[in-house]
Amino acid sequence: EVQLVESGGGLVQPGGSLRLSCAASGFTFSDHYMDWVRQAPGKGLEWVGRTKNKANSYTTEYAASVKGRFTISRDDSKNSLYLQMNSLKTEDTAVYYCTRVRGGAVGWFDPWGQGTLVTVSS
Amino acid sequence: DIQMTQSPSSLSASVGDRVTITCRASQSISTSLNWYQQRPGKAPKLLIYAASSLQSGVPSRFSGSGSGTDFTLTISSLQPEDFATYYCQQSYSTPRGFGQGTKVEIK
Repeated sequence: EVQLVESGGGLVQPGGSLRLSCAASGFTFSDHYMDWVRQAPGKGLEWVGRTKNKANSYTTEYAASVKGRFTISRDDSKNSLYLQMNSLKTEDTAVYYCTRVRGGAVGWFDPWGQGTLVTVSS
Repeated sequence: DIQMTQSPSSLSASVGDRVTITCRASQSISTSLNWYQQRPGKAPKLLIYAASSLQSGVPSRFSGSGSGTDFTLTISSLQPEDFATYYCQQSYSTPRGFGQGTKVEIK
């Protein structure tokens, strides 16, 4: 069974840092692009960013709202995806989902993890 | 950036109704358009990819169509488990944005 499990969420003060992890299983992790998507409480879905696979030099892409503050990385040997979040703002409060990209560069998100809640508050 | 606009933002419908949700892109995205369903408190779930391909395991009452800038998601006969929020998403270019969502409620 293909599965994604996020961890690392919690309460952090504005300006602080947090690192989210996503453990993947049931598929060849190293073959796939992987993305992060977030959802603020009561709001819609917002794409955060992407890491491509080794064949594409692990290139990363980011939404303008997080560029320069967030860093996406991966460890294919551990089947794991990471989101390092620095200089956190109250508007970063959201459930963060990791998701596998199927279909290559113009692909779709399937499956999604269960999400981990990040709360940025003093 | 490509803007994705869904309509309506919400709708009320009865079990058995035919429901259509539209999604418009601010520029052509070919068929790089995907649809997701999100039930309350749950992660989104892929329904339709590449505008019209039904994800494995998704009931055939769901269908998608369109290309270029205009797309539709149709539920042919609404079932109780279909009451949820639906999002379109473009995968044509970065940033890979979503529509604002359409909440389907029970009439």
